[in-house]
Amino acid sequence: LAKTTQPISMDSYEGQEVNITCSHNNIATNDYITWYQQFPSQGPRFIIQGYKTKVTNEVASLFIPADRKSSTLSLPRVSLSDTAVYYCLVGDASSGANNLFFGTGTRLTVIP
Amino acid sequence: DAGVIQSPRHEVTEMGQEVTLRCKPISGHDYLFWYRQTMMRGLELLIYFNNNVPIDDSGMPEDRFSAKMPNASFSTLKIQPSEPRDSAVYFCASSLVQQETQYFGPGTRLLVL
Repeated sequence: LAKTTQPISMDSYEGQEVNITCSHNNIATNDYITWYQQFPSQGPRFIIQGYKTKVTNEVASLFIPADRKSSTLSLPRVSLSDTAVYYCLVGDASSGANNLFFGTGTRLTVIP
Repeated sequence: DAGVIQSPRHEVTEMGQEVTLRCKPISGHDYLFWYRQTMMRGLELLIYFNNNVPIDDSGMPEDRFSAKMPNASFSTLKIQPSEPRDSAVYFCASSLVQQETQYFGPGTRLLVL
């Protein structure tokens, strides 16, 4: 049973802010939310992780509402190099393989 | 650290042949994961290990697939016999015991003819 749901694809113009939302209605109390980015011919790489409210790093921001049933990855002023697939994960291996569901992610295409 | 190392990077073989994929995790990481990625199914977890012990292999598609981790610095994923539908990119990843972040290798692109 998939723990997360995200849009299959999104398009954005260069310089715009992009928000990708992930639904995780069955998130457990101890679960963290982690986002990964994958470029063609490479393995996924960590972008950001959070538990509640807002987390920001040099690459992105992660917004998590109080009920934690969804989260939004925000990429400010995207460039062509941000074209990639983005995955949302909830939980970790210590709570079972069901939490390691990457699926097909959200394919972001940045248009010049 | 060099990161997660996988070999070979590319493998082309004929149906029925045995294929062995190799992975060296990041030193000190307690978890090791094997994933398979295809266009149709995305990135799927096949099996993962904790401290060299297989914890969950429910993602292994069938008995033709097997994985071992004889020590903390080496794991193999074997397909015997291989079939064309096994063609995919196979990723290995590792993580620390109490962290969710996984570090992925560059992957092995397998083509079974």
